[in-house]
Amino acid sequence: AQSVSQHNHHVILSEAASLELGCNYSYGGTVNLFWYVQYPGQHLQLLLKYFSGDPLVKGIKGFEAEFIKSKFSFNLRKPSVQWSDTAEYFCAAFMDSNYQLIWGAGTKLIIKP
Amino acid sequence: EAGVTQSPTHLIKTRGQQVTLRCSPISGHTSVYWYQQALGLGLQFLLWYDEGEERNRGNFPPRFSGRQFPNYSSELNVNALELEDSALYLCASSPWVTGGNQPQHFGDGTRLSIL
Repeated sequence: AQSVSQHNHHVILSEAASLELGCNYSYGGTVNLFWYVQYPGQHLQLLLKYFSGDPLVKGIKGFEAEFIKSKFSFNLRKPSVQWSDTAEYFCAAFMDSNYQLIWGAGTKLIIKP
Repeated sequence: EAGVTQSPTHLIKTRGQQVTLRCSPISGHTSVYWYQQALGLGLQFLLWYDEGEERNRGNFPPRFSGRQFPNYSSELNVNALELEDSALYLCASSPWVTGGNQPQHFGDGTRLSIL
């Protein structure tokens, strides 16, 4: 069955550390990939998306993600995190076979000031 | 631009009861999606409506149902509530473009607690 895996459920970093959150999907066909973020007390919002073209996509607030088709991965990165990046991050994949957005379980990121 | 609005924000029910949750999409969005987010789990897809029709359904029993109205607002109905239905129910909307690959915009959710 198609699925999206986020391997780290909790990540704790200090400010200015570099961040990489893993996301892998299982599907051999065409996928559209998303990262969403949920800041404390706020609703889910789109961070960035990949549909086609350049596999390195840039999103809001200095985040970027790289689509590596051979690894079925779409990892989220940020070179230097800030305390305000404390949030829960969700990876999601829209797979054309079942017309559903499949979600990872989320990664809770805590940035220590 | 008003975002996706959901009502009520919180609801407490007992086992066996029925509940109706409501969602108003962003103006101009024709697709509405419903998700269940149980504690510790990711979002589980429930239903997708567009132009008044159910386009897709997740792996949930038939007691989860819904509809979309001509103004594109939507209701989610859950019958015969069970304890494991306790969750945050999220509604999202998007424009319809070739198969639902548009980013979805989310509401704040309805927190349903079953006693």
